Amino acid sequence: DAGVIQSPRHEVTEMGQEVTLRCKPISGHNSLFWYRQTMMRGLELLIYFNNNVPIDDSGMPEDRFSAKMPNASFSTLKIQPSEPRDSAVYFCASSLPTGGQETQYFGPGTRLLVL
Amino acid sequence: AQSVTQPDIHITVSEGASLELRCNYSYGATPYLFWYVQSPGQGLQLLLKYFSGDTLVQGIKGFEAEFKRSQSSFNLRKPSVHWSDAAEYFCAVGRGGGADGLTFGKGTHLIIQP
Repeated sequence: DAGVIQSPRHEVTEMGQEVTLRCKPISGHNSLFWYRQTMMRGLELLIYFNNNVPIDDSGMPEDRFSAKMPNASFSTLKIQPSEPRDSAVYFCASSLPTGGQETQYFGPGTRLLVL
Repeated sequence: AQSVTQPDIHITVSEGASLELRCNYSYGATPYLFWYVQSPGQGLQLLLKYFSGDTLVQGIKGFEAEFKRSQSSFNLRKPSVHWSDAAEYFCAVGRGGGADGLTFGKGTHLIIQP
């Protein structure tokens, strides 16, 4: 299996620009998670989907952040407008529930730098 | 609310020596616990997980972890470390069996001395 695929791997943009991060989960997995990793706050869950439906977005920091999952094989995380404090590594993970127990598999991450 | 504490920010171990990374959790229900490893510039790789049953779980790369409910701990061990084990290690607790996401500790940076 190809694993979780994220694009781009690196993104450098200027403050105020729109940024779109993309994720393709492992085929057959029906849960998808977006995490953010920063030095100050560590790894934080931003939002997750189950069967393409957003379940909990309480971790999304501000209205500037939005996420969608239009189908089972694709999700986006958008930041508009971007700010320097959004600089971080953004991870996507997917999982397949098995008897109430789930193991998440992570993508390689997108390293975002907002200037 | 759930939380995970990794008391050691950095640990330095000589190659060939044994390793123990500490993890303490706070969770109201049955904890589902995970250890992940992150090499520089890479994503997170699952080392091992505990859902139920035997409290000593084996993982990849020669790692093991022991769940101790009385101490709310899930420490990671390896009998003999290799230079390639140098990385960041994260302990996590799964909310709702993992279905509701993971809460991570801040990580422990492992340095291997020759």
